[in-house]
Parts: sequence; structure tokens; C-alpha cells
Amino acid sequence: AQKVTQAQTEISVVEKEDVTLDCVYETRDTTYYLFWYKQPPSGELVFLIRRNSFDEQNEISGRYSWNFQKSTSSFNFTITASQVVDSAVYFCALSEAAAAGNKLTFGGGTRVLVKP
Amino acid sequence: DAGVTQSPTHLIKTRGQQVTLRCSPKSGHDTVSWYQQALGQGPQFIFQYYEEEERQRGNFPDRFSGHQFPNYSSELNVNALLLGDSALYLCASSLSEGALDTQYFGPGTRLTVL
Repeated sequence: AQKVTQAQTEISVVEKEDVTLDCVYETRDTTYYLFWYKQPPSGELVFLIRRNSFDEQNEISGRYSWNFQKSTSSFNFTITASQVVDSAVYFCALSEAAAAGNKLTFGGGTRVLVKP
Repeated sequence: DAGVTQSPTHLIKTRGQQVTLRCSPKSGHDTVSWYQQALGQGPQFIFQYYEEEERQRGNFPDRFSGHQFPNYSSELNVNALLLGDSALYLCASSLSEGALDTQYFGPGTRLTVL
């Protein structure tokens, strides 16, 4: 069965500092997708990034970057030069290709507080 | 381009009652998933509907049921409400083309059971 673990429950930083969020996953599938979502105080989950299990190339998109390592089953996410608007709960999620449908399994979330 | 919409925004019920939550998917999407998010936790998958059929189901009792209409909108019904059903209920839509399309979420319905 799939599982996602976010060991950090809360991270507090000062504006302009970088923030790295850890995510470790478990799956028996060889093909799967990993996601990061942001949940601001309004409650709506906002899609940020998606990665395929067969593409370990790390990328940067604006102030966001991610480090995907299959060898350690980790999918870490970094916000560069954090801003107050980045304050939210961030969720890592996994979806397996084997099952019909694209059910998401979420981690427990990491609350990020960016202070001015 | 309209995103995922949900109604109502908030709902207060008492134990034993029944509730119906509604979701309209993002334009062009044909698959709807429902998640329950208890306070301070990550969302838990309830079920997913595609072509008006339940395609996948999480570990939720039969008190939780759903429906998808021909226009792809969906309802989540919960019978015999328990205090533990108090949560944020999130609807997500996606396009069932290819194996795994990204799910986009609505603002949620916050259900309080007294």
C-alpha cells in the first residue's frame, strides 16, 4: 500500500530565506506520480508541481524547485527567497498507475510560516 | 475558465442526520474525486466517479455514498452522521485521459456535526 510521510510538521522562517520541505513515499508500483499542493488559510488545495516516476530530472520553476530521488524515495520541495504569501500548509501526494483511477495519497502536511 | 465549485460552503448538522454535498468539476473535466480532511491532517480519499460509476473507493463505510450526473457534476451523501464526520470535504476534478491527470480542487465544504 502506498504511504507518504512528511516528517516536518511546522517550519518558521524569515522572509527571503529558503525553505525546503521533505517528503518520503512508499509504493510497490514502478510507475507513479508525485505532487506538491499548497493549502492557504482559505482551505482550497492549489496544485504546484507534478513529477513522473520515470523522470528524475530536477527542475526549477520560478521560486519553486524540487529534488526527486528514487533511490531514497524522496521528493523534496524548495521555495527560494520566501515571501509572506508563501505561508500555508504544503502537502506531498502520491498517485499510482496500477490502480484504475488517480486516487491521491497525501502526507500529513507541513505548515510553513514566513515572517516579515 | 471556471474552476471546481462546491456547495454549500459551510454546513451544521446534528448526529444521526443525513447530508448532501455538491460539486461541479472544472470545465472539460469528466472525473470527480471526494476527500475528507480532518483538522490538522492531510486529505483522505473517499471515492472517485467516472462515467457515472464509482471507479475507486477508499476506506470509508457505506454511510458515505455518491453520485455522478451526466453533466459530470457530483454529490456526496453521508447518512447517520457521527461527530467524527466533522471535517472539510474537498472535491477534485480531473480529465480521465491517459493514466494520471492532475486533480484540481474546489474550495471545500466545512461540515460540523453537533
